[in-house]
Amino acid sequence: KNEVEQSPQNLTAQEGEFITINCSYSVGISALHWLQQHPGGGIVSLFMLSSGKKKHGRLIATINIQEKHSSLHITASHPRDSAVYICAVGIQGAQKLVFGQGTRLTINP
Amino acid sequence: NAGVTQTPKFRILKIGQSMTLQCTQDMNHNYMYWYRQDPGMGLKLIYYSVGAGITDKGEVPNGYNVSRSTTEDFPLRLELAAPSQTSVYFCASSYWGGGYEDTQYFGPGTRLTVL
Repeated sequence: KNEVEQSPQNLTAQEGEFITINCSYSVGISALHWLQQHPGGGIVSLFMLSSGKKKHGRLIATINIQEKHSSLHITASHPRDSAVYICAVGIQGAQKLVFGQGTRLTINP
Repeated sequence: NAGVTQTPKFRILKIGQSMTLQCTQDMNHNYMYWYRQDPGMGLKLIYYSVGAGITDKGEVPNGYNVSRSTTEDFPLRLELAAPSQTSVYFCASSYWGGGYEDTQYFGPGTRLTVL
């Protein structure tokens, strides 16, 4: 079993829908990261969080440390949100990240 | 700032050939990483460095070597290329390291095919 599991693996939705992507992990962490990989391949960091909730525009990330679970929400989704969303965790005591397999999101107009 | 730059963008190698993937960052970051991304799989850590002169293995180091003689540069060397090394390679850097709320900046990637 992978240390970081994302669900769903693939998600297709219509423009305007509310999107939720889930990430569960099985190890002690110092921080959790959400990343976005564009169709062209570039990877950018969206959020880093170790507790609670963060919001950037239409994106919201939450984490529940006790349940070892995080969610990424997108409100009023748009075709430009189509990308692969990657969850990664910083392992306690280690100077590196462990990545989930990614969730491919497609938003249709 | 250029951020993290990687060269080349694409490369085709024959089995048994060697090559070096270049990575440079201009943000004075301590930590640098090399990942590979296989189709449908998550990013896997190959090697990482916590500062000039210090490197360590990640999850999948076999067939690769690294060096870090300066803060800015972290080249990845492939010796005796094999088809299993066909992948997209990403270099990344951060100031504090993965265990902190610290942004990792990624290069654009190198798409490598070994035939």
